[in-house]
Amino acid sequence: GAVVSQHPSRVICKSGTSVKIECRSLDFQATTMFWYRQFPKKSLMLMATSNEGSKATYEQGVEKDKFLINHASLTLSTLTVTSAHPEDSSFYICSASGSRSYNEQFFGPGTRLTVL
Amino acid sequence: QKEVEQDPGPLSVPEGAIVSLNCTYSNSAFQYFMWYRQYSRKGPELLMYTYSSGNKEDGRFTAQVDKSSKYISLFIRDSQPSDSATYLCAMTGGAGTSGSRLTFGEGTQLTVNP
Repeated sequence: GAVVSQHPSRVICKSGTSVKIECRSLDFQATTMFWYRQFPKKSLMLMATSNEGSKATYEQGVEKDKFLINHASLTLSTLTVTSAHPEDSSFYICSASGSRSYNEQFFGPGTRLTVL
Repeated sequence: QKEVEQDPGPLSVPEGAIVSLNCTYSNSAFQYFMWYRQYSRKGPELLMYTYSSGNKEDGRFTAQVDKSSKYISLFIRDSQPSDSATYLCAMTGGAGTSGSRLTFGEGTQLTVNP
């Protein structure tokens, strides 16, 4: 099956710092990548959609200056949480779709962010 | 009203039982249907992908779609403790365009007891 990796898997940072999370499609070209946030025992909440080479489209209520998304290549997208605060602590998951199957999304393993 | 409704459970069954997980939806534009399995603190794993009414079988898993009733199901036969996870249904209008946005159910937490 299609493989999507995320790095790091877990990060702890101090309030006010910025954190970058990488999402890579390892065996297919990801024309579109999605970033989700998930709270404990809750479903996935879509934050933004990014197409390779274009600006990301953010969901209503998601601050684009807070959550910077870059999708510079067909295999890599990054999410940067700027000036992180404790309320940004969450499980962040990316997914990718593209050359493998345009209607299917393949998810990464997730990144657990804890902001102290 | 949510576009996709899924019973959150939790659902607890004995090993070997047949498990039935269900979702209903209201948007008739949804044409592609998926079931994901998510273990605790992991990303969702795609289990089944269907786009037409009827049944699709893969090993112990059967996905069923009834577009006329706007109802989809996932059946797990001979359930195993390793099937204990949260199961999420997801769907999209798709139409072959790249990067179709998924609408998820809330997820059903399943525990299979040895």
